[in-house]
Amino acid sequence: KQEVTQIPAALSVPEGENLVLNCSFTDSAIYNLQWFRQDPGKGLTSLLLIQSSQREQTSGRLNASLDKSSGRSTLYIAASQPGDSATYLCAVGNGGATNKLIFGTGTLLAVQP
Amino acid sequence: NAGVMQNPRHLVRRRGQEARLRCSPMKGHSHVYWYRQLPEEGLKFMVYLQKENIIDESGMPKERFSAEFPKEGPSILRIQQVVRGDSAAYFCATSPSGQVNIQYFGAGTRLSVL
Repeated sequence: KQEVTQIPAALSVPEGENLVLNCSFTDSAIYNLQWFRQDPGKGLTSLLLIQSSQREQTSGRLNASLDKSSGRSTLYIAASQPGDSATYLCAVGNGGATNKLIFGTGTLLAVQP
Repeated sequence: NAGVMQNPRHLVRRRGQEARLRCSPMKGHSHVYWYRQLPEEGLKFMVYLQKENIIDESGMPKERFSAEFPKEGPSILRIQQVVRGDSAAYFCATSPSGQVNIQYFGAGTRLSVL
């Protein structure tokens, strides 16, 4: 059974710092991995999608890497801003006919001005 | 192109009442997923539907919960005889026809059971 873990559970950094969020999964047979952002009381915004054959994806100040063999992904945020404050969720797609997502419990990020 | 629309955004029910949550997919999307986010927990898969068919309901509680995605109209998640433990945020996600590679999420319905 696939399990997804995210550490740390919470992180507080001063504005301008670069930071790394970690995601690990127990079964390396994944189809893809997505990083989402969730603001309080809001829905999910997809940030980056990495296919199982890819090593990384980049969008602006965000870079996500995937190491399937070790069951790890990282989300790197460069030059953090207060507007980056949110909960960041990692989700693994299991492929097959459904590709349902298995989510981690998230990292709550606070960027202090 | 409007995104995935869920309504209502907030729903309050008393114990024993029924809750009906609606999800209108993006244009051209025929795959619907429902996820539940309990307080202090991560999102958990509930059910996956295509038009008029339930494909995977392995995450649905065995009793009181049902889902449908009719040929016309939105997908409906129905919870009968709600209990306090049903209080949660319910998210719908949809994928384009023939593709389950990426899911687009709605803003969710927050159900509170009094």
